[in-house]
Amino acid sequence: EAQVTQNPRYLITVTGKKLTVTCSQNMNHEYMSWYRQDPGLGLRQIYYSMNVEVTDKGDVPEGYKVSRKEKRNFPLILESPSPNQTSLYFCASSLGTSGFDEQFFGPGTRLTVL
Amino acid sequence: GENVEQHPSTLSVQEGDSAVIKCTYSDSASNYFPWYKQELGKRPQLIIDIRSNVGEKKDQRIAVTLNKTAKHFSLHITETQPEDSAVYFCAAGGAYRQGGSEKLVFGKGTKLTVNP
Repeated sequence: EAQVTQNPRYLITVTGKKLTVTCSQNMNHEYMSWYRQDPGLGLRQIYYSMNVEVTDKGDVPEGYKVSRKEKRNFPLILESPSPNQTSLYFCASSLGTSGFDEQFFGPGTRLTVL
Repeated sequence: GENVEQHPSTLSVQEGDSAVIKCTYSDSASNYFPWYKQELGKRPQLIIDIRSNVGEKKDQRIAVTLNKTAKHFSLHITETQPEDSAVYFCAAGGAYRQGGSEKLVFGKGTKLTVNP
């Protein structure tokens, strides 16, 4: 089944404890992206990648890192999480390199930082 | 950079009525305008999109119109049903510029409630 998967789906952690949220797609998509969703703020892009080894900042990149070593994987790294990073995170992928076609979203990861 | 405003933030209609959600964007070079639907507790899913070379696109009960001169686009849902209840997001992007980054910017969302 063609899909985008994320792990973990739920995570409660403490301030400063490094964590990684994994994202994987099996559709051979070029473009991958991370968004955070907060009440009243909609979807805001954190980082995106147009191809392997090519990443760029979105609108809210502070406090996050990403890497794209393989086409299918695009992990999101929080080196030192803070409470303001408590949010619902979505990974997405699309076929082309631009992101300007249908984006397929993962199921989401709900992160709480205490 | 691109800025997308979406209105209203909440919309309540009776089953069978029409619903209209409007978005404005700031970057005249944007040329891709998708709409995503997010049901409660689920992931966003594309329901329709339009590119700047057309002014209107329809898919059964859903239509999107685009006015590039005024920089606004709208989602129209006719004959609404309870299963249309969800949060709807518009987005704009596609403005390619040398040395620039291309981003898809989302509106803040509209919570649509269809009352039986």
